[in-house]
Amino acid sequence: QVQLRQWGARLLKPSETLSLTCTVSGGSFSDFWWSWIRLPPGKGLEWIGEINRSGSTNYNPSLKSRVTVSVDTSKNQFSLKLSSLTAADTAIYYCARKETGSLFDCWGQGTLVTVSS
Amino acid sequence: IQLTQSPSFLSASVGDRVTITCRASQDISTYLAWYQRKPGKAPNLLIFGAMSVENGVPSRFSGTGSGTEFTLTISSLQPEDFATYYCQQLNSYPITFGQGTRLEI
Repeated sequence: QVQLRQWGARLLKPSETLSLTCTVSGGSFSDFWWSWIRLPPGKGLEWIGEINRSGSTNYNPSLKSRVTVSVDTSKNQFSLKLSSLTAADTAIYYCARKETGSLFDCWGQGTLVTVSS
Repeated sequence: IQLTQSPSFLSASVGDRVTITCRASQDISTYLAWYQRKPGKAPNLLIFGAMSVENGVPSRFSGTGSGTEFTLTISSLQPEDFATYYCQQLNSYPITFGQGTRLEI
């Protein structure tokens, strides 16, 4: 059974860079795209971006200038960096597996990231 | 593509039949999914292809629609169904979600 486990810093200051990593276990890493999605308080889910095993990426245009998603296939890991943080970036961040039909069928446990001075 | 859910908040009772609507800003055929999220948990896929129920999801959940208007129906609410529901379009990038419908007792 596929499991996604994520970790990273939870309290950051404005202008700093968010860094999260997600490890995939119990299933294929090569056959899927791997995404980051966030849920700001009181708002809806927002797709941030994705990567595949080859390192090809797609990003949400609203965040593209500040986002980098990378992959380490030797460790079955993928990572998110989001720069120039503001309070508006406070959210629960999830890693997720996207299957071929663009459905998110497996998710990490979520990380609440708070941006505050 | 923008997705607008209605209502944003819904109060109901166990045994009730409830319907949540998701409207897309352009035609997305049946490229729509529904997720359920409970507090402290990650979202869980319920419906894909607008009307196909994911394996393991109770049959009281159903989805309809195509084009720009979609609905999620729960035929008889159970205590474990009180959660927030999100629609997602799979038609084109960037992937987008609705703002959510919070279903409370």
